[in-house]
This record gives sequence, structure tokens and C-alpha cells, in this order.
Amino acid sequence: ETGVTQTPRHLVMGMTNKKSLKCEQHLGHNAMYWYKQSAKKPLELMFVYSLEERVENNSVPSRFSPECPNSSHLFLHLHTLQPEDSALYLCASSRYRGVGGELFFGEGSRLTVL
Amino acid sequence: RKEVEQDPGPFNVPEGATVAFNCTYSNSASQSFFWYRQDCRKEPKLLMSVYSSGNEDGRFTAQLNRASQYISLLIRDSKLSDSATYLCVVNLGSNYQLIWGAGTKLIIKP
Repeated sequence: ETGVTQTPRHLVMGMTNKKSLKCEQHLGHNAMYWYKQSAKKPLELMFVYSLEERVENNSVPSRFSPECPNSSHLFLHLHTLQPEDSALYLCASSRYRGVGGELFFGEGSRLTVL
Repeated sequence: RKEVEQDPGPFNVPEGATVAFNCTYSNSASQSFFWYRQDCRKEPKLLMSVYSSGNEDGRFTAQLNRASQYISLLIRDSKLSDSATYLCVVNLGSNYQLIWGAGTKLIIKP
């Protein structure tokens, strides 16, 4: 059983909808991440939070809005998405944000934008 | 040129065989290296870190060649359960800038 849980596992939304993805980690880690995984493409890092502070934002469109209320929870708020945003969104955590250390992933939220 | 490049496969390998695949990276300043495994419709999980001296864990051996800028993964006596996509990951520096390859798909056939 994974120490990182994501909900919902599947989401279908129209381009005008607003929805949120939720991630919770039960590992006592200090860093949390959002990644996007599209078919046959490398994982793309979207956001990094370390001790609840956003430390990285990799030129992600503003239609994706992260929120980290505490070190155990991470949200990704979605609005006015495009069909090309359809992908698997993976949340991960690590003990610290630094060299070394393993990333622990949730099972992902598979998003389809119609 | 891609920062981290992998042969997408699939590699179709009979059970019990030995299989190896490489991953090349473009940034010579890369500091640490990892192999992750991702089963179909599942999340990536760390398989092993790759050290300068090489790393062996049971049937799995990882090697680093800094001069030629590649890492390799060797799987001996392959099992059906080894079927997965293997992701190469390179850490560029102290800010933990992980660069991921797109993965190599491995299919072990009975």
C-alpha cells in the first residue's frame, strides 16, 4: 500500500469546468511534488513544495494552480483546461528536497479533458 | 538532443534470459543517477541508485560510465514479473533537478 494517496483516480472534465486533484502523504516527508506524465514522454515536473513553501514552478500555465496547506497535503486546482492537458498527474513526496533521496509516488490521477 | 535519452523498446525477451539497456545523458555536470520501474497503469517506484562504482541488487546490476555519459541496467535470469517500463533519472545538482527519461518498455515472455 502506497504512503502517498491521490484522489480522484480518474477525472473527466469539460474545458469550462473547475476541479481539484488531492494528494496526501503519510510518510512524514518535507517535500511534495506534482508531475505530469503524458504517453511516451518523460515525466514533467510542474511544482515543488518544500516545508509548505513553493520552491519551483516550471513555467506551468496559470490554469494549473497548486496549494499546499500543510506538509502532508497538496492540491492541484484545475480550471479552463485544454484537451492537451489530458494526462496522468502524479503526486510525489520525499524526505527532503536535495541530492539523493527517494521519491515516493501516488498512483496518479488520470485526467481527460473533453 | 534530449537531456536523457532511452530506447523506448519494447524489448521482448524470453523468461530466463539476460537483458540490458542503456540511458544516455547530455549534461556532464550530472551528479547522481537512478533507475525507477513503472508497471502498467501504476506509479514509478525506485528500483536502484547508480553509484560510480556500480551497484548490484540480486539479479539487477546498474553501471555508470561518466566518460561516455551513460548508465546501464542489466537484468539476469529475467522473470515474467520484470515486465515493466524502466525509467532513467538524472539529478543535475543540489536543487534536486531530476531529469527523467521517457522509459524503456520490457516484456518478458514465457
